[in-house]
Amino acid sequence: EAQVTQNPRYLITVTGKKLTVTCSQNMNHEYMSWYRQDPGLGLRQIYYSMNVEVTDKGDVPEGYKVSRKEKRNFPLILESPSPNQTSLYFCASSLSVGQGASYEQYFGPGTRLTVT
Amino acid sequence: SQKIEQNSEALNIQEGKTATLTCNYTNYSPAYLQWYRQDPGRGPVFLLLIRENEKEKRKERLKVTFDTTLKQSLFHITASQPADSATYLCASGDTGRRALTFGSGTRLQVQP
Repeated sequence: EAQVTQNPRYLITVTGKKLTVTCSQNMNHEYMSWYRQDPGLGLRQIYYSMNVEVTDKGDVPEGYKVSRKEKRNFPLILESPSPNQTSLYFCASSLSVGQGASYEQYFGPGTRLTVT
Repeated sequence: SQKIEQNSEALNIQEGKTATLTCNYTNYSPAYLQWYRQDPGRGPVFLLLIRENEKEKRKERLKVTFDTTLKQSLFHITASQPADSATYLCASGDTGRRALTFGSGTRLQVQP
């Protein structure tokens, strides 16, 4: 089944304790992205990747890191989480880039993170 | 700065009527707009994409328009059903940078 998976789905952690949220897609998509969703603010893009070893900042990259060493995986790293990073996080992937691309994004199920 | 806005108030309509949701953008010209559906606790699901050179796109009971003069997109669901109740998100993008900007979404409630 074509899908985007995220782990963990729920995480409660403490301030300053490094964590990684994994994202994996099995559709051979070139483009992958991370978003956070907060009430009243909607989905905001954190980082995106156009292909392996190519990443770029979205609108809210501060406090986050990403890497794209393999096409299928795009982990989100919080080196020193803070309470303002408590949010619902979504990973997404898309098949094509460039002119004529479909740009349709497939989203994962979400990871609910609480930082105390 | 780029801004994309959707009506934050919930839209309540009767089953069988046409639901119309609005998406407005300011300070930029997106190459395309996308519409997604999101159910509580789930990730968004892609519905339709419309490019800047297209006026209208249809898919089954869904229709989306793109007015570059008004800087607005309208999303219509005809013959609405209670199963259409969800939050609908508008997103804008460009072909170069590929960063997507989402609106905060409009919640649609279809009453039986």
